[in-house]
Amino acid sequence: AQSVTQLDSQVPVFEEAPVELRCNYSSSVSVYLFWYVQYPNQGLQLLLKYLSGSTLVESINGFEAEFNKSQTSFHLRKPSVHISDTAEYFCAVSRTQGGSEKLVFGKGTKLTVNP
Amino acid sequence: DAGVIQSPRHEVTEMGQEVTLRCKPISGHNSLFWYRQTMMRGLELLIYFNNNVPIDDSGMPEDRFSAKMPNASFSTLKIQPSEPRDSAVYFCASRLGAFTNTGELFFGEGSRLTVL
Repeated sequence: AQSVTQLDSQVPVFEEAPVELRCNYSSSVSVYLFWYVQYPNQGLQLLLKYLSGSTLVESINGFEAEFNKSQTSFHLRKPSVHISDTAEYFCAVSRTQGGSEKLVFGKGTKLTVNP
Repeated sequence: DAGVIQSPRHEVTEMGQEVTLRCKPISGHNSLFWYRQTMMRGLELLIYFNNNVPIDDSGMPEDRFSAKMPNASFSTLKIQPSEPRDSAVYFCASRLGAFTNTGELFFGEGSRLTVL
């Protein structure tokens, strides 16, 4: 069964500093991997996804994540964060069951960007 | 499209009362998911439907919880009787298709439940 581990529950950084949010997954089969973002009092929104092809995927707002099969990781990075990036970030892995597919989420990492 | 619509946004009730949470998925989406979010346990999948049929309800905590999807545009999650430990934010999400590569998961804004 697939599971997801987010190693850091909270990450405080200063504005314009780089950040890395770590995610490791466990799976014995090929996977799809995702990062979702949740702003305060809102639902989750897809940030980026890895389905196949290039192991480096990017979002429109400067985040990127690299699929590393040997290390079973899908860490999220941004070279320079903004105050507006303050949110909770969830890593997720797909799981196929009964002819359908669901997402299993990690427990989330709260990113706080300070001025 | 208006997105996934959930109601009520906030619910405060007393222990033992029945709670019904409602969800309208995005039109045309045929997979629907109910998640529960708490500080202690994070985001847990309770149940999901494909073409109105429950596929996996293994995440439903106990018999007090039930979910229905009578048609493609409406789903309910019911808790009867409610208990304080049910206090959480409940999210509904929908997706076009049964498999992830057919589209992303769209979440509603959640229903925050407080059971006193």
